[in-house]
Amino acid sequence: GIQVEQSPPDLILQEGANSTLRCNFSDSVNNLQWFHQNPWGQLINLFYIPSGTKQNGRLSATTVATERYSLLYISSSQTTDSGVYFCAVGPSGGTSYGKLTFGQGTILTVHP
Amino acid sequence: DTAVSQTPKYLVTQMGNDKSIKCEQNLGHDTMYWYKQDSKKFLKIMFSYNNKELIINETVPNRFSPKSPDKAHLNLHINSLELGDSAVYFCASRELGIPETQYFGPGTRLLVL
Repeated sequence: GIQVEQSPPDLILQEGANSTLRCNFSDSVNNLQWFHQNPWGQLINLFYIPSGTKQNGRLSATTVATERYSLLYISSSQTTDSGVYFCAVGPSGGTSYGKLTFGQGTILTVHP
Repeated sequence: DTAVSQTPKYLVTQMGNDKSIKCEQNLGHDTMYWYKQDSKKFLKIMFSYNNKELIINETVPNRFSPKSPDKAHLNLHINSLELGDSAVYFCASRELGIPETQYFGPGTRLLVL
């Protein structure tokens, strides 16, 4: 099956700093989503981005499908950005029924 | 007006017991999923139903049995609970079309003693 690797595994920032999280995947995909799991455990969908670039406030994401990676940018980080960021992908070709394979996550801690 | 809800939120039980987790979505989606998140935060899909039909069944012990009485509900029954079943179980539903976003419930934290 498709492999998903995220880096770095852990990231510690001071409030106001910028960061870039990376997601590499081993095969072509037609579905790529970024999620944030907050400290209370809730999983929130940030972006659906199988290709191209999107922005939402201080967050933006870019997926270069031909090179099999995606980047999540967090600018001017805030303590509320803390949590685990997951990249999840679905394979292209055939009928995947929306099956997502998750990376192991990046644990982000933002200190005040 | 919660989009995807799960009950219970916490479940503490003894080894060998049978338990159920319920999930409901009010988004009108046709496809629902169960995921398991282990103690290392790794998320893995278990099952998926599309309009009450099982479409994804990963390598999961047959002690786990999903049931979908209608397309808005997907329940998970677990027989003969084992220590290794301790995890957080998430239900999700999918919006078809573009974007194919998945919406997750709050999770059920299961602890088997």
